[in-house]
Amino acid sequence: QQQVKQSPQSLIVQKGGISIINCAYENTAFDYFPWYQQFPGKGPALLIAIRPDVSEKKEGRFTISFNKSAKQFSLHIMDSQPGDSATYFCAASILNSGYALNFGKGTSLLVTP
Amino acid sequence: EPEVTQTPSHQVTQMGQEVILRCVPISNHLYFYWYRQILGQKVEFLVSFYNNEISEKSEIFDDQFSVERPDGSNFTLKIRSTKLEDSAMYFCASEVTSGKRKTQYFGPGTRLLVL
Repeated sequence: QQQVKQSPQSLIVQKGGISIINCAYENTAFDYFPWYQQFPGKGPALLIAIRPDVSEKKEGRFTISFNKSAKQFSLHIMDSQPGDSATYFCAASILNSGYALNFGKGTSLLVTP
Repeated sequence: EPEVTQTPSHQVTQMGQEVILRCVPISNHLYFYWYRQILGQKVEFLVSFYNNEISEKSEIFDDQFSVERPDGSNFTLKIRSTKLEDSAMYFCASEVTSGKRKTQYFGPGTRLLVL
């Protein structure tokens, strides 16, 4: 059972454009939704996270939009830069310590100069 | 900044052999995890560990797998009899929760190749 569905699988955006990655979850017990960024040969690194008590969270050029009723959330990267080229994973979990992250399948983002 | 370290970075083994993957979590973190990522696929949860016990494990974590924290700093994943399908990148993570934010810090991974 795929608990977190992510799309698109890959994305090409021009420098300065907006990158949008979408995720949907099934388990209503999830209350913590992080996005991780992974560069080739490295482990995933936390980028930004949101809880369902807010509909939007912004940190710099990165924004998460959250729709609790639809059980969907998305990552927007504004003014995308070539250095943003990486694989992005959405995840869902329970905020309390000890609960695993349930990852989506990942989106490979390429930002062209 | 503190980081999770993993050794070795690469391991090649023959099918049926035992392997031990090692991790040093960030000190003062209490929860530890192993995940794996088969090439080109998503990161999958294997097991979580707290207070010297397994707290949760996935279907993947069968009897061939075991974890321990032998000396209070290292955190190891042992695969007793490796199979071809165990070939993957294995990530260790340690976790800190502060208020409304939970951060799992991932190590750089060990790439395991089973021949």
